Amino acid sequence: AQTVTQSQPEMSVQEAETVTLSCTYDTSENNYYLFWYKQPPSRQMILVIRQEAYKQQNATENRFSVNFQKAAKSFSLKISDSQLGDTAMYFCAFIHKAAGNKLTFGGGTRVLVKP
Amino acid sequence: GAGVSQSPSNKVTEKGKDVELRCDPISGHTALYWYRQRLGQGLEFLIYFQGNSAPDKSGLPSDRFSAERTGESVSTLTIQRTQQEDSAVYLCASSFLVTTEAFFGQGTRLTVV
Repeated sequence: AQTVTQSQPEMSVQEAETVTLSCTYDTSENNYYLFWYKQPPSRQMILVIRQEAYKQQNATENRFSVNFQKAAKSFSLKISDSQLGDTAMYFCAFIHKAAGNKLTFGGGTRVLVKP
Repeated sequence: GAGVSQSPSNKVTEKGKDVELRCDPISGHTALYWYRQRLGQGLEFLIYFQGNSAPDKSGLPSDRFSAERTGESVSTLTIQRTQQEDSAVYLCASSFLVTTEAFFGQGTRLTVV
């Protein structure tokens, strides 16, 4: 069964504009951890942002912010003021005890920032 | 080293041969993961080591795949009798605790011809 779902395979955005990537997940637990990772063409996976489920405040890292809706099991990523270097695959990931605490990824969303 | 190191970075092998992929995690990291990524696809979980606990092998696609980890250090992923469908990038990641950031290596690109 798919635990983490990213429904948008590809998105494009103009430089300096904002794009939002969706992610939903499935768990019956109350405490778990959510992540967004970026994989540029270089193939190197980099952590973008991390959210602990027990924290109500949405995580923010510079131009990257999340909208964490616990009841809806939704964890979207907003990229503001998009830059050419943001062009990459973005993966939503999830750790929860029921899955043995292993890090499970969604299928990814390819983001293309256009000049 | 400063990061997760994987070797070789590229490997071309003939169908039917065995291959061994190596991962050197960041020192002190207790959790280690192996993932497979086919071209243009997401990350497919293979195996997960956490400290001295029994590894979670639930993602290994067949009994041709196996992995070992020596304590909290080096891990090797072995693929026996390689098939063309094994062609992919194999990524290794490690983290200090399971709930903290996982750091990834650059991956090994395996091509089976």
